[in-house]
Amino acid sequence: DSGVTQTPKHLITATGQRVTLRCSPRSGDLSVYWYQQSLDQGLQFLIQYYNGEERAKGNILERFSAQQFPDLHSELNLSSLELGDSALYFCASSFGLAGGETQYFGPGTRLLVL
Amino acid sequence: GNSVTQMEGPVTLSEEAFLTINCTYTATGYPSLFWYVQYPGEGLQLLLKATKADDKGSNKGFEATYRKETTSFHLEKGSVQVSDSAVYFCALSDRGGNKLVFGAGTILRVKS
Repeated sequence: DSGVTQTPKHLITATGQRVTLRCSPRSGDLSVYWYQQSLDQGLQFLIQYYNGEERAKGNILERFSAQQFPDLHSELNLSSLELGDSALYFCASSFGLAGGETQYFGPGTRLLVL
Repeated sequence: GNSVTQMEGPVTLSEEAFLTINCTYTATGYPSLFWYVQYPGEGLQLLLKATKADDKGSNKGFEATYRKETTSFHLEKGSVQVSDSAVYFCALSDRGGNKLVFGAGTILRVKS
């Protein structure tokens, strides 16, 4: 158990809908990362937050947004969903920002868009 | 930009065989290098890491050495077990931040 929790574990929804994925980092970690794992794109970095502020952005679509709250949990919002958004979404956390810090991954949320 | 290339799988081995999974990277500067493992139905777990050239990461019998001259971080294990069957990901993070760039992953299947 990494100490990172993600809810829900599975999500099935329809095209055009909006969903929210939730992540609670390990106790004491200030940095949260979101990654998408799909068959065609592999594992891709989406976005990073540190202590409530956005720090880095990757291949995140404009239809997607995220935030980190004062209690350090984070939410990833996916809107106007398309079939191609079906994927496994991982959250990870680390204490700080330094390159080389270990990131601890949650179990993921599997999203299926029908 | 930064990238990681892994050998394609699946790799199928018999129990107690020697394992090598090749990983090479392209990056500016001196990245940190990682191997993560994903067991079926689970999230990623850090297997080992190395943060500077010539460092050797090791864990659970797995080893990898950060080779700057060949930009490689090959994963090795002397004697695999059935329980090692999983997907292995090589990854890097650069000094400017900590986002991970992953390779495509290599499926390892170990037969008894």
